[in-house]
Amino acid sequence: GAGVSQSPSNKVTEKGKDVELRCDPISGHTALYWYRQSLGQGLEFLIYFQGNSAPDKSGLPSDRFSAERTGGSVSTLTIQRTQQEDSAVYLCASSLPTDSPSYEQYFGPGTRLTVT
Amino acid sequence: AQTVTQSQPEMSVQEAETVTLSCTYDTSESNYYLFWYKQPPSRQMILVIRQEAYKQQNATENRFSVNFQKAAKSFSLKISDSQLGDTAMYFCAFMKLSYSNTGNQFYFGTGTSLTVIP
Repeated sequence: GAGVSQSPSNKVTEKGKDVELRCDPISGHTALYWYRQSLGQGLEFLIYFQGNSAPDKSGLPSDRFSAERTGGSVSTLTIQRTQQEDSAVYLCASSLPTDSPSYEQYFGPGTRLTVT
Repeated sequence: AQTVTQSQPEMSVQEAETVTLSCTYDTSESNYYLFWYKQPPSRQMILVIRQEAYKQQNATENRFSVNFQKAAKSFSLKISDSQLGDTAMYFCAFMKLSYSNTGNQFYFGTGTSLTVIP
């Protein structure tokens, strides 16, 4: 079956521009996570969505970052006024509801963002 | 707060040999899960193996096995009969169960880059 997909695969943008990153989770997965992976670092949690509940935004690094999830499915991560330190791979993961016996997160291939 | 430490940034192993990747974590939780994920150059994170903290038996998946020492908060990954396709970044992850709107919280280590040498 189809896995988690993300677009674009790579994005190069100029400092100060806004970017939108998209994530399509696996059908039926109500939980969706965004992570940031900087060079040589582990995964940094950004934001979590569970169904139609209000998202947990505790990991967003600044108010330039925002995310939404329409209809409980597709999610977009928006970075406004990009800075060079925003350059990283942005990974999306989805999983079954948190009360499911399966806790595995399924990851997308990521979007590599480069801010010049 | 939970922390996950992988103290080996890079490792290499000869093809067909065995290698062990280390991972330690710090938590005050009693009920949690531990994972090893593999990230090849394609960037696709793939689950390698999962361990429930309440289970004493070490998880095994084909050539992959773990040594879970709960008291020592250690969770190492052993890869037997290493293959060229095992070359990847390996991440250890800790998951804290939560039934609130914060969801199950995952904490990742900084990764170990494994190279399998032909």
